[in-house]
Amino acid sequence: GAGVSQSPRYKVAKRGQDVALRCDPISGHVSLFWYQQALGQGPEFLTYFQNEAQLDKSGLPSDRFFAERPEGSVSTLKIQRTQQEDSAVYLCASSLDRGTYEQYFGPGTRLTVT
Amino acid sequence: AQSVAQPEDQVNVAEGNPLTVKCTYSVSGNPYLFWYVQYPNRGLQFLLKYITGDNLVKGSYGFEAEFNKSQTSFHLKKPSALVSDSALYFCAVKSGGSYIPTFGRGTSLIVHP
Repeated sequence: GAGVSQSPRYKVAKRGQDVALRCDPISGHVSLFWYQQALGQGPEFLTYFQNEAQLDKSGLPSDRFFAERPEGSVSTLKIQRTQQEDSAVYLCASSLDRGTYEQYFGPGTRLTVT
Repeated sequence: AQSVAQPEDQVNVAEGNPLTVKCTYSVSGNPYLFWYVQYPNRGLQFLLKYITGDNLVKGSYGFEAEFNKSQTSFHLKKPSALVSDSALYFCAVKSGGSYIPTFGRGTSLIVHP
């Protein structure tokens, strides 16, 4: 079946612009995670949804970052007034539930802020 | 708090030789442990997990990992490496009471023909 998809795959934004990154999880997956991956690092947790409820946003680096999953399926990560330090790969992952289940990752969106 | 250490940034092995990628962890309570592989410009792909039961876990593509509670380790192994195994490998841990896994920094595996 279809895996996790993300769009766009690449995004170049000028400093100060707003961006929106989309994630389509695997159908039926309850849990959805957003991660930030810097070059040479592992994924760093940003936020977690269970269905449409955002249960944890402790990893969001600033109030410029906002995520939503209004119908419990597609999710959008929005970054307002982008800064150069926001440049990274943003990964979305979904899983059947939050317990012992492994996560399925999308290909990521590479954001470059110039 | 939970943490993962992958002490080697890079592992080099000749094709056909056995490989080991090391991972140690720290977590409160029982650990849930995972290995993922990442190919260039791709997302992470699940390889295997340890939740409970046998300490030796078998996963995709001939990989296996051994859970060692006393050494708090979960090393990834494969008896005979392939050039196509060359990729970035990530170990992850979470406690039973947490839904957020913590990932290691990753180890680059390079298999030489």
